Amino acid sequence: AQSVSQHNHHVILSEAASLELGCNYSYGGTVNLFWYVQYPGQHLQLLLKYFSGDPLVKGIKGFEAEFIKSKFSFNLRKPSVQWSDTAEYFCAVGGASGTYKYIFGTGTRLKVLA
Amino acid sequence: NAGVTQTPKFRILKIGQSMTLQCAQDMNHNYMYWYRQDPGMGLKLIYYSVGAGITDKGEVPNGYNVSRSTTEDFPLRLELAAPSQTSVYFCATTGEQGLTYEQYFGPGTRLTVT
Repeated sequence: AQSVSQHNHHVILSEAASLELGCNYSYGGTVNLFWYVQYPGQHLQLLLKYFSGDPLVKGIKGFEAEFIKSKFSFNLRKPSVQWSDTAEYFCAVGGASGTYKYIFGTGTRLKVLA
Repeated sequence: NAGVTQTPKFRILKIGQSMTLQCAQDMNHNYMYWYRQDPGMGLKLIYYSVGAGITDKGEVPNGYNVSRSTTEDFPLRLELAAPSQTSVYFCATTGEQGLTYEQYFGPGTRLTVT
């Protein structure tokens, strides 16, 4: 069965610090990978996605993620965080092999101190 | 386009009561999902549908029922509310846009069962 692990549950950073959030998945076949962001009181929004091609994908608001197939990882990065990046971040895998089910990680709550 | 809409936004139920959470989409997407979000647990799939008249169980279907009579609507029914169903419920859809399979989320329904 597919699963997604996010090892950092809570992260606190100061503004301008660099961010890296870990995501590992377990699935042997072709996968589509996603990072979603949930700002306080809001619904989930797509941050970026990978389904094929260049393993380094860029998303909105300066976020990027790197797909490393050999490590089953899809880590999210941002060189310099802002206070407005305070949110919860979810890694997800799904849409693979003709299925339309998605598995979400447990989320990482990021707090950026001004 | 409204995207994915959910009603109500908030609801308090007494144990044993029943209710229906409404979800509607105007994106003509075939695939629709119901998730519940609990603190520190990420999103858990309750039910999903791949088209009108077709539904299937997700990870946590007990205590819930769904129907899909039209492409647009995917209501979630709680028959005998229990405190364990206190959660935030999100409806989501997926359309086939190439191979991207990203999900679009509604604003959520916060349900408290007391």
